[in-house]
Amino acid sequence: DIQLTQSPSFLSASVGDRVTITCRASQGIATSLAWYQQKPGRAPKLLIYEASSLQSGVPSWFSGSGSGTDFTLTISSLQPEDFGTYYCQQFNAYPRTFGQGTKLEIK
Amino acid sequence: EVQVVQSGAEVKKPGSTVKISCKVSGHMFSDNLMHWVQQAPGKGLEWMGLVDLENGKTKYREKFQGRVTIIADTSTDTTYMELSSLRAEDTAVYYCAEEQMLRGPFDYWGQGTLVTVSS
Repeated sequence: DIQLTQSPSFLSASVGDRVTITCRASQGIATSLAWYQQKPGRAPKLLIYEASSLQSGVPSWFSGSGSGTDFTLTISSLQPEDFGTYYCQQFNAYPRTFGQGTKLEIK
Repeated sequence: EVQVVQSGAEVKKPGSTVKISCKVSGHMFSDNLMHWVQQAPGKGLEWMGLVDLENGKTKYREKFQGRVTIIADTSTDTTYMELSSLRAEDTAVYYCAEEQMLRGPFDYWGQGTLVTVSS
C-alpha cells in the first residue's frame, strides 16, 4: 500500500496567515493526489485534484503543488471558515489511501 | 445539482450485518465509480472498496475482503454497502463518495451514516 504522511498533524494559525501543509508519499505517484477539507460532523469536501487543480467553487486562496512523492497544500491568506481537518489522498494505485490528517485551528 | 443521500444511522449487535444505501441524483449514474470510506470516531479516512457503476465490477480493500459487499442498482441509481460479522471496532461513520469519469478524486460525498456496534 502507498503510505501518505502529512505534516504537521496539528496547526494553529491566525486569520490572514499563510498556511502550508505537506504530504509525502512512500513511493512516486506522479500528480495523482487530491486534498480534502473536513469540518466536524460533515463529509469531506474536495479542494484540489491532480495535485494542483482547483475544484470548481473552491476559493482561490487555496492552492496545491508537487509531484512524485512530495506535495503541498497552501492557504495564502487564512480565513475564519478554513478551520477543519485536511486530508491528502492518492489515486495512483489501489487501495486508495489517505494521509492521517492535519487539524487546522484558527487562533 | 448533484445530490448523494445515504440511509440513516444504524445500531447493530456484534456478529450481525448492516446494509447502507447511497442514492445519487442530478446526473448520469453510469460512467462513474462509487467508493465507500470508513471513519472511526476521532480517526481518519479509510477506503473500503468501490463498485463500477457502468458494469458492476467491484474492488475491495484486503482488510475488508470477505466481509464487505458493494453493489449498484442502476434502475434506482442507488449503491449499497453491506458489512457482515460486525464487531465493536466497526463502529464508525461510513461515507459513499462518487468518482466521476474515472478522474481519480472523489467529487461528491454522501452525508455519512453512523453505524454503532454494541451488545
